[in-house]
Amino acid sequence: EAQVTQNPRYLITVTGKKLTVTCSQNMNHEYMSWYRQDPGLGLRQIYYSMNVEVTDKGDVPEGYKVSRKEKRNFPLILESPSPNQTSLYFCASSVGPPISYEQYFGPGTRLTVT
Amino acid sequence: GESVGLHLPTLSVQEGDNSIINCAYSNSASDYFIWYKQESGKGPQFIIDIRSNMDKRQGQRVTVLLNKTVKHLSLQIAATQPGDSAVYFCAEKGSGTYKYIFGTGTRLKVLA
Repeated sequence: EAQVTQNPRYLITVTGKKLTVTCSQNMNHEYMSWYRQDPGLGLRQIYYSMNVEVTDKGDVPEGYKVSRKEKRNFPLILESPSPNQTSLYFCASSVGPPISYEQYFGPGTRLTVT
Repeated sequence: GESVGLHLPTLSVQEGDNSIINCAYSNSASDYFIWYKQESGKGPQFIIDIRSNMDKRQGQRVTVLLNKTVKHLSLQIAATQPGDSAVYFCAEKGSGTYKYIFGTGTRLKVLA
């Protein structure tokens, strides 16, 4: 089954404790992206990647890191999480231009930073 | 399920009626627009898209209209069904970039 998976689905952590949220897709997509979703603000793009070793900032990259060492994986790293990073996070992938911009989203990761 | 928004604008329609969800986008240089549907506890799901060189595109029961003059996008759902109840987001992609800007969403409630 074609899908985007994220782990963990739920995470409660403390301020300053480094964490990684994994994202994996099995569709051989070139484009991958991370978003956060907050009430009243919709989805905001954190980082995206056009291909292996090619990443770029979205609208809200501060406090986050990403890496794309393999085509299927795009982990989101919070080196020193803070309470304002408490949010619902989504990973997405797409074939990429010029074929398609349609993004497939993962199920989400609910992160709480205390 | 996961909360996607506590104070979203809500559109309530009777089952079988047509629904129209509106979106104002921000960047006149955006070249691609998408509508997503998000059900409770799930990630957004692609519905339909349209490029900036078009003003209308139809899918199965859905139509997207683009008015670049007033930077307005709308999603029309024909014969709305209970399964259409969800939060709907529009998104735009800036020309020459792969960055996406999402709207804040509209909750659609289908009344039986």
